[in-house]
Amino acid sequence: DVVMTQSPDSLAVSLGERATINCKSSQNVLFNNMESLAWFQQKPGQPPKLLIYWASTRESGVPDRFSGGGSGTDFTLTINSLQPEDVAVYYCQQYYSIPLTFGGGTKVEIK
Amino acid sequence: QVQLQQSGPGLVKPSQTLSLNCAISGDTVSNNNAAWNWIRQSPSRGLEWLGRTYYRSEWHNDYAVSVKSRININADTSKNQFSLQLNSVTAEDTAVYYCARGWALDFWGQGTLVTVSS
Repeated sequence: DVVMTQSPDSLAVSLGERATINCKSSQNVLFNNMESLAWFQQKPGQPPKLLIYWASTRESGVPDRFSGGGSGTDFTLTINSLQPEDVAVYYCQQYYSIPLTFGGGTKVEIK
Repeated sequence: QVQLQQSGPGLVKPSQTLSLNCAISGDTVSNNNAAWNWIRQSPSRGLEWLGRTYYRSEWHNDYAVSVKSRININADTSKNQFSLQLNSVTAEDTAVYYCARGWALDFWGQGTLVTVSS
């Protein structure tokens, strides 16, 4: 199984500042020259919401303050200019191989 | 717009079978480019993928090793839905269960809290 490790477990960021979340996969997730890595946002009582796929492609309707990057086994989700509605838990997920696996989550709060 | 609507009981007795349905609108379960997944979430296990079904000229299933001996995922083309059956449940199967589409899971059901308790 591909193990996904996120860091930090939680972070507090001031409104308008940048939040950066890291995700490390235990092996490469490259498929047809595309990184098979997605990022999700989850708010209490809701299912996860897809933000980013192929490591850096923003899902339709997702604000452009969310960006994904990285390659190989190291990936990042960046939230520029944090807004109150961005308070949530964020997860990375690989879809390179079965079983699909998720990181443990990063809780983002307002400082 | 794709929508997934889950249904099924929220309480299951130990040793019995957990059964959930996921009705699809805006897509078809037999779409040759889609896959239909079941995922669960609990504080102890986080987000855990359970399995999927997909159609590529014939039906295919993949299951997580942790539940492989107890799980069945079926598609019903007449109702455009897919279902989860998890047999011989214990308290460790208590979780919120989700259905979701794809590999990068772009659409999710609303979630069903299933509690295993007598």
